[in-house]
Amino acid sequence: SQQGEEDPQALSIQEGENATMNCSYKTSINNLQWYRQNSGRGLVHLILIRSNEREKHSGRLRVTLDTSKKSSSLLITASRAADTASYFCATVPSYNFNKFYFGSGTKLNVKP
Amino acid sequence: DAGVIQSPRHEVTEMGQEVTLRCKPISGHDYLFWYRQTMMRGLELLIYFNNNVPIDDSGMPEDRFSAKMPNASFSTLKIQPSEPRDSAVYFCASIRGTLLWNEQFFGPGTRLTVL
Repeated sequence: SQQGEEDPQALSIQEGENATMNCSYKTSINNLQWYRQNSGRGLVHLILIRSNEREKHSGRLRVTLDTSKKSSSLLITASRAADTASYFCATVPSYNFNKFYFGSGTKLNVKP
Repeated sequence: DAGVIQSPRHEVTEMGQEVTLRCKPISGHDYLFWYRQTMMRGLELLIYFNNNVPIDDSGMPEDRFSAKMPNASFSTLKIQPSEPRDSAVYFCASIRGTLLWNEQFFGPGTRLTVL
């Protein structure tokens, strides 16, 4: 299966600390996206990184992609209580542009 | 824009009943997706449409599930007959442009409970 696996499954930190989540996948990809899901809500897109990119920034978010290791990381700097949510990676595999796979998610809890 | 609209937000039904979930994608979007989310299986893609045409329904669990998109602004996911194991949150999402490079916009979900 192409489905990504996030690591860790759960993460609890204090406000102001950085949070790092990792995503690993099995086959080569066209792009990888990160989404956030607040409790009881739909997913919200955060950032997309293409397979030929190594790093991308958006505000307090930094995403890296290592295609040789088939992994990506999402770093949230200076976390806030409002960042408490589940974070998912999603991949579009290079063997099939019509597929979209979500990982199992990392549940982040930021304590005030 | 109002975003992706789903109805109902909550549905409680008894085993064996027919359930119909509804979705209105964002106007002008070309793709529509149906997902199911449970604690055990995570987020599963059930089916998606491009320009109202079903492209991939390999995620539909069994014949009890069916989905339609009669026009660009409306889609339904039907479960008949429903079973307790169908209890989940069902999300609809849409994309504008190509699937490959664009983000999905998710609706708020329908929480289905089958007793």
